[in-house]
Amino acid sequence: QVQLVQSGSELKKPGASVKVSCKASGYTFTSYAMNWVRQAPGQGLEWMGWINTNTGNPTYAQGFTGRFVFSLDTSVSTAYLQISSLKAEDTAVYYCARDLGRCFDYWGQGTLVTVSS
Amino acid sequence: QSVLTQPPSVSGAPGQRVTISCTGSSSNIGAGYDVHWYQQLPGTAPKLLIYGNSNRPSGVPDRFSGSKSGTSASLAITGLQAEDEADYYCQSYDSSLSGCYVFGTGTKVTVL
Repeated sequence: QVQLVQSGSELKKPGASVKVSCKASGYTFTSYAMNWVRQAPGQGLEWMGWINTNTGNPTYAQGFTGRFVFSLDTSVSTAYLQISSLKAEDTAVYYCARDLGRCFDYWGQGTLVTVSS
Repeated sequence: QSVLTQPPSVSGAPGQRVTISCTGSSSNIGAGYDVHWYQQLPGTAPKLLIYGNSNRPSGVPDRFSGSKSGTSASLAITGLQAEDEADYYCQSYDSSLSGCYVFGTGTKVTVL
């Protein structure tokens, strides 16, 4: 069965970096794009962008350029989200989600990133 | 900011029917892009509920139905059950922002 398993919660200080992983199983990793979605505490879902798992080419939504980087390691069917120069407002749950073609059919369990001094 | 607007909350008694609207514009829903719906139970990841405006993935009860007309879409829940209490989000594609996916503002469904 399809599964997306994300890395565990992170507590970081402002200015630090964090790398969240999303390991896929149960399907051919390079057959589906991967998206990233942010959910701040008590807030709604916000699409961050996606990465082409064939080419590794990322596309970032407005507001997620510069400090946010999507990457892959296809040898282990894993997608990564790295956030640098963390700010308090980056505190959120980050989800990876498989792209079925304009919608997201499988989601990771989410990774809570807390930025606090 | 989301470009798809939903009511913040709707409520209903068990067994009743509730509907959630999702209002967009000519660059997303009105442009013909499909609308999809997600259910997010408390403390869990979102789950695909409706795709392609009105299609249910395997395992989703037929109490959930979706429709789309013009620049809006709707999710209906008939025979409301206690386990339907959750947040619901619509999602589509928007061509005005260099092409991107957009989510609705989200609706909290409360079962009275």
